[in-house]
Amino acid sequence: GAGVSQSPRYKVAKRGQDVALRCDPISGHVSLFWYQQALGQGPEFLTYFQNEAQLDKSGLPSDRFFAERPEGSVSTLKIQRTQQEDSAVYLCASTSNGGLYNEQFFGPGTRLTVL
Amino acid sequence: AQTVTQSQPEMSVQEAETVTLSCTYDTSESDYYLFWYKQPPSRQMILVIRQEAYKQQNATENRFSVNFQKAAKSFSLKISDSQLGDAAMYFCGNNDMRFGAGTRLTVKP
Repeated sequence: GAGVSQSPRYKVAKRGQDVALRCDPISGHVSLFWYQQALGQGPEFLTYFQNEAQLDKSGLPSDRFFAERPEGSVSTLKIQRTQQEDSAVYLCASTSNGGLYNEQFFGPGTRLTVL
Repeated sequence: AQTVTQSQPEMSVQEAETVTLSCTYDTSESDYYLFWYKQPPSRQMILVIRQEAYKQQNATENRFSVNFQKAAKSFSLKISDSQLGDAAMYFCGNNDMRFGAGTRLTVKP
């Protein structure tokens, strides 16, 4: 079966541009997570959905970051007016149910470079 | 907030030898879960092993085992009979979606 997929895999944006990053979780997975991973660092939590409900967005660094999952499957992370400090790999993960104790299945990530 | 700390940025092990990666954490919860994930170069993160805090027995998955010291808030990963394919970044994490900074493991042939 297909794993978690993310697109695009690489994105270069000029400072000030808006970007949209897509995550396709494993079919039927209830929970979906977004992380930001700076070079040489561990993943930093951004936000978490259970079905279409965004249960935790405490990790979003600013109001320029927005995530949605309108139908409880595909999710989009949008970054408005990108800044150089937004350059990172953005990881998406999904789990089969709503518990936070389950194995997370990660996608390959989208590497965002802001020039 | 819960924190996870990995104090070894890099570790090296000879093929077939044993290596231990360290992780400490801070939590006020009485029940929680801890994880070790592996991130091979240019590949997705995958779960290595999981420990439930209320279980006293250390988790084991084939060559991978943990030393879970609840009172000390320590959760180390032991890799036995190291293989070249074990070379990767290893991240310790918890069910609060927190991860450590990672340990890069090199396996020497």
